Amino acid sequence: EVQLVESGGGLVQPGGSLRLSCAASGFTFSSFGMNWVRQAPGKGPEWVSSISSANGYTQYSDSVKGRVTISRDNAKSSLYLQMNSLRPEDTGVYYCAREAWFGALLKLDYWGQGALVTVSS
Amino acid sequence: SSELTQDPAVSVALGQTGTITCQGDSLSSNYASWFQQKPGQAPLLVIFGQNNRPSGIPDRFSGSTSGNTASLTITGAQAGDEAEYYCNSRDRNGNYWVFGGGTKLTVL
Repeated sequence: EVQLVESGGGLVQPGGSLRLSCAASGFTFSSFGMNWVRQAPGKGPEWVSSISSANGYTQYSDSVKGRVTISRDNAKSSLYLQMNSLRPEDTGVYYCAREAWFGALLKLDYWGQGALVTVSS
Repeated sequence: SSELTQDPAVSVALGQTGTITCQGDSLSSNYASWFQQKPGQAPLLVIFGQNNRPSGIPDRFSGSTSGNTASLTITGAQAGDEAEYYCNSRDRNGNYWVFGGGTKLTVL
């Protein structure tokens, strides 16, 4: 059974830092691209960042570029998101999501339960 | 603002058919996926690649696309289908993921 379990969320002051982790199990982690997707209260999901399976190629949304770093440790089947210079608008639930190919179709097929990040003074 | 546009709310009578739509330029070159999200839960993939259902998703959920509009149809809606539904696709250039703002489905 595929499982993704996030941790590391919490309350942080504006300008502070936080590191989220996502522990994966039930599949060959190194073979899949991974993503962080966040959801502000009452809003739709927003893609934050992705990292490829093959060469660790990373991408970031404009809203977090320069403040956030995605990384992975395939030996530990873990995904990370280092967030710096946090702003109140970064508040939300952060999900890790697996990216999988089905033929020529790409999908976000499994999501974790999410980690709540609250940026407030 | 979302690159994919959804109506905020749709209602459907119990046992009847309801349709949720999603519009966006990216849909002219990328298939949509659809997620169901209930309060306090993570999004659950119900349709991908226009009309493919993951294992365990009932066949009353179906998808279609016409031009830059994707649709999710629920045939024979049940009370348990009441949820927020989000569409999702790659952006127009296929570089990153985009999501719709969500549609609240109410089963009357």
